[in-house]
Amino acid sequence: EVHLVESGGGLVKPGGSLRLSCTASGFTFSTSSMSWVRQAPGKGLEWVSSITSTSSYIYYADSVKGRFTISRDNAKSSLYLQMNSLRAEDTAVYYCARVKWELALDSWGQGTLVTVSS
Amino acid sequence: SYELTQAPSVSVSPGQTARITCSGEALPKQYVYWYQQKSGQAPMLLIYKDTERPSGIPERFSGSSSGTTVTLTISGVQAEDEAVYHCQSSDSSGSYGVFGGGTKLTVL
Repeated sequence: EVHLVESGGGLVKPGGSLRLSCTASGFTFSTSSMSWVRQAPGKGLEWVSSITSTSSYIYYADSVKGRFTISRDNAKSSLYLQMNSLRAEDTAVYYCARVKWELALDSWGQGTLVTVSS
Repeated sequence: SYELTQAPSVSVSPGQTARITCSGEALPKQYVYWYQQKSGQAPMLLIYKDTERPSGIPERFSGSSSGTTVTLTISGVQAEDEAVYHCQSSDSSGSYGVFGGGTKLTVL
């Protein structure tokens, strides 16, 4: 069974940084593309970033480009999101998800809450 | 930036058919994916590549596509289907993801 567990969320001041982690199990992580998706309180889903299995291709939403960095460690079956220069509008639950069938996000973690506030 | 448009809400009675649409100018060239999100839960994939169902998804959930609009159809709606339904696709390059605003399905 596919299992994704996010961690690293919390309260941070505007301009601060956080690093989210996603630990995967139950599938071959090293051959799977992965994504981060966020959901602000009471709002819809927003795609944040994606990374291919070997990190050859990385994509970011315009809203986070230049501030967030996605990365992975296949040896540790882990996905990361380094978030810098955080803003109030980055407040959201952040989900990691496995990519399958081109762009389908077929498995999701339970999410980790990031709150940016002074 | 590229956007997908969904109606904010749809209401149906149990046993009826619910149709939830998603519109976007790149949809004739890019696949659409549908997710169900119940209150307090992570989203769950319902439909991929416009019309395909992952294993375990009931047959009452189906997808169709016509031009710039795709439709998620839920036949014989049940109370447990009350949720927010999100469509997802990509821009014309196929590299950048995008979600619609979500449609809240209320079962009367």
